[in-house]
Formats: sequence, C-alpha cells, structure tokens
Amino acid sequence: GQQLNQSPQSMFIQEGEDVSMNCTSSSIFNTWLWYKQDPGEGPVLLIALYKAGELTSNGRLTAQFGITRKDSFLNISASIPSDVGIYFCAGQWVNNNDMRFGAGTRLTVKP
Amino acid sequence: NAGVTQTPKFRILKIGQSMTLQCAQDMNHNYMYWYRQDPGMGLKLIYYSVGAGITDKGEVPNGYNVSRSTTEDFPLRLELAAPSQTSVYFCASSYSRQTSTDTQYFGPGTRLTVL
Repeated sequence: GQQLNQSPQSMFIQEGEDVSMNCTSSSIFNTWLWYKQDPGEGPVLLIALYKAGELTSNGRLTAQFGITRKDSFLNISASIPSDVGIYFCAGQWVNNNDMRFGAGTRLTVKP
Repeated sequence: NAGVTQTPKFRILKIGQSMTLQCAQDMNHNYMYWYRQDPGMGLKLIYYSVGAGITDKGEVPNGYNVSRSTTEDFPLRLELAAPSQTSVYFCASSYSRQTSTDTQYFGPGTRLTVL
C-alpha cells in the first residue's frame, strides 16, 4: 500500500522550545491532515491543508502543504506540557475518501 | 449530542468467532469511517461510507464487512476472527469531505483481542 513516512518517531523537548515534524509520501495527495491523539482516545483534527503551498496556522501550530504535494510539515511553537501526545499526519485523495496515516510522532515535553 | 459512540469498549474473542462492532453518530453526518490502530502505529482505514446505502473499501478491508442502512449507524462485522485482527478500532464521522470548516469526529474506540 501507499506509504507515509513520518519523522521523527519521537521527540523529547523542554517546555518553551519549538517543535517540527514532517511527513513524506511516494504518492501525491490532495489533502494533508494533522491529528493529535491522547492516550486512550481517538485522534483530534488539528489542521487540514487543501492546496499545494498552503500554509495554515491554528494557534501555536503551523502546517504547510508541500508544493510537490508529496510532503507536509507541522510546527509547534513555544511548547507547553499539554502538547504531549502522538501527532499523526494523514493524506487524502480527492476522488474518494480513502486516507493514509503516518506512524506518528510521540512528543514529550519536559517542564 | 452524544457525538460518535462505539460499543463495546473492550472485547475478547476466540479465533473463528464473529462479532459486530457498533458505531452510531447523532450529528447527521453523511460520511462515516472505520479505522484500526495497531500498537505504535497510525490508523489504517478499513471501510468508509459517504451516505446510507453506500460503502467503499479502504486500505485494509479483508476480513471485515460493513453496512450502512441508516445515516446514524455504521456497524463493522468480523466474520471469522483471527489474531491479526487484535487492534483498537475507531469509528469516525464527518458532515462532508474534510473542509476548512468541517472536521472528522472520532469515537472513543473499541479494544479487541483475538486469542
């Protein structure tokens, strides 16, 4: 199946630091999505991107849709303890609603 | 609104048994999805539906069946449970395709173990 490569797998950072994670794919997607999942819960959508080159912010979070449509990144600025969790990227095709998820980036924020 | 509800929360099956995972949403969403999440991995789409009576396969449909007779309900059926189906199953719904003003709501998950 189609592969989404998400990196890094895990990050340990100090509170207040900025964080960057990215996803690359061998496939072109029409939509890139970023989710956060807390333990024992379902993922929650953070940011959705619909056009190549699009840069979108949601509070301290910023994500970009790569111009090749094969990659996306997520930045978190000035991290806080509640940012702890697993962040997933996902790509979606326009002609159907099939989606592929990355394996996740586990973020730990030390106070 | 209860949002997306899933039952049961936990289940242990023996190899070869069958069961239905229930999913319901009360938000009048057209789109519904079933995912599985294996430990340390992202979600994999099993099946999805864009409306009552319409279902389509996702990335990993083998061993599963779905139906969508109503807008509210989207049950997932395992006919012959196998250990490879041990996973956490998430149901999700959205009003339409992901848009800038829409979002996909996830249920709390069903943790299934097949022994």
